[in-house]
Amino acid sequence: DSGVTQTPKHLITATGQRVTLRCSPRSGDLSVYWYQQSLDQGLQFLIHYYNGEERAKGNILERFSAQQFPDLHSELNLSSLELGDSALYFCASSGLGSYTQYFGPGTRLTVL
Amino acid sequence: AQTVTQSQPEMSVQEAETVTLSCTYDTSESDYYLFWYKQPPSRQMILVIRQEAYKQQNATENRFSVNFQKAAKSFSLKISDSQLGDAAMYFCAYRSAANNDMRFGAGTRLTVKP
Repeated sequence: DSGVTQTPKHLITATGQRVTLRCSPRSGDLSVYWYQQSLDQGLQFLIHYYNGEERAKGNILERFSAQQFPDLHSELNLSSLELGDSALYFCASSGLGSYTQYFGPGTRLTVL
Repeated sequence: AQTVTQSQPEMSVQEAETVTLSCTYDTSESDYYLFWYKQPPSRQMILVIRQEAYKQQNATENRFSVNFQKAAKSFSLKISDSQLGDAAMYFCAYRSAANNDMRFGAGTRLTVKP
C-alpha cells in the first residue's frame, strides 16, 4: 500500500458526459501528479500540482482539468468524454525534497 | 524532450534464473533520476528500484539491481532468482532534476515460467 488513495476504482459512463476522479496523496506530500495509461501502453503525464498550484502540464487535453485543494487532495475533471478517453488514470504523490513518486491504485474509466 | 526506450516488449525467464530488462534514454541533462516500476495484473504501479544519476554506484534492492551506464544512457534491471510473483509489466522511467516531469518507457512484459 503506497498510502495514495484514489476514488472511484471503476467508472463507466457514456460519451459526452463529465466525470471527476479524486486523489488523496500520502500524508505530508505536497505534490500530486496525474497520469493516463491507455490499454497496454506506458503512462502519459498529464499534470502536476504542488501545494495547490499548477506546476507542470503534459499531454493534457483541453477537455481535462485538475485542481488541488487546501487539504491537498486533488481532482481530475474529464468532460465531453470520448471513447478514446477510456483508460486507467493514476495519481501519484511525492514529498518535499523527494524525487520519488508513489502511485495510487488507479481509476479505470470506461466510456461507452 | 527526454525519451525512454524499452526495446524488449516481452521477456521470459525460468523460475530461479536471472533476467535482465533493458532501458535506454535520451537526455541532454546531467542531473536526473531513473526508476523501474513494476505493474502486476492488479495494475498497481509499484516502485522497484531508483537511481540518482550523480551516483556511480549501482542501486540494489534485494534480488533487484541495476546496471547504470551514464555515458551510454543505459539503465538495465537485473532480477536474480526470479520468482513467479515477479511476473508483471516493468516500466523504466526518467525524471529530470530540473522539474517533476516523469517520462515512462512503453514497458516490458515479463513472464516467469515454473
